[in-house]
Amino acid sequence: DVKVTQSSRYLVKRTGEKVFLECVQDMDHENMFWYRQDPGLGLRLIYFSYDVKMKEKGDIPEGYSVSREKKERFSLILESASTNQTSMYLCASKDPTNEKLFFGSGTQLSVL
Amino acid sequence: AQSVTQLGSHVSVSEGALVLLRCNYSSSVPPYLFWYVQYPNQGLQLLLKYTSAATLVKGINGFEAEFKKSETSFHLTKPSAHMSDAAEYFCAVSETGTGGFKTIFGAGTRLFVKA
Repeated sequence: DVKVTQSSRYLVKRTGEKVFLECVQDMDHENMFWYRQDPGLGLRLIYFSYDVKMKEKGDIPEGYSVSREKKERFSLILESASTNQTSMYLCASKDPTNEKLFFGSGTQLSVL
Repeated sequence: AQSVTQLGSHVSVSEGALVLLRCNYSSSVPPYLFWYVQYPNQGLQLLLKYTSAATLVKGINGFEAEFKKSETSFHLTKPSAHMSDAAEYFCAVSETGTGGFKTIFGAGTRLFVKA
């Protein structure tokens, strides 16, 4: 089975800090995604990548950037964390043969 | 752009009762429709997927969903709820984007199962 690993389960940061959320997948998938999950809003797409060094903005990219230097790793960067970025962040990779997403367990980020 | 509406943020059923979770998509028929489930403290996992091969789709754990184009709906059902079905359920659609499809999710419906 595909494994998607997010480096931290819980993270607490201060306002203004630069934050890195790391995600690694082991199935050589080209497409990877970052979502944030908030109660009542479901999952909202922040950024996605369809190849190394290729990225596209999702629906809510403001305040975020991403990095994809290697196929297996997709990083989400909060340049200057703000309290409204407190959320659950979910990384996913996609099997192109059936459009199935495989998710990591999530990182609960708290910005104080 | 595609959008997904899930009717009811919370649904409560008794064990053994029918489960019905509602989902409507925007007017254009998407290439794919999905239901994902999220158990506590876990990521999402795929329950089932519609790809136009059949309007009634069977998934894991006894769930199924029916695609109805005339109603732009893709409701999820299970004849008899188990306590282990308590989770959050997300309806999703695919949308064409650069490099392939991206997946758009609804707001989710939390299912409670009473003993």
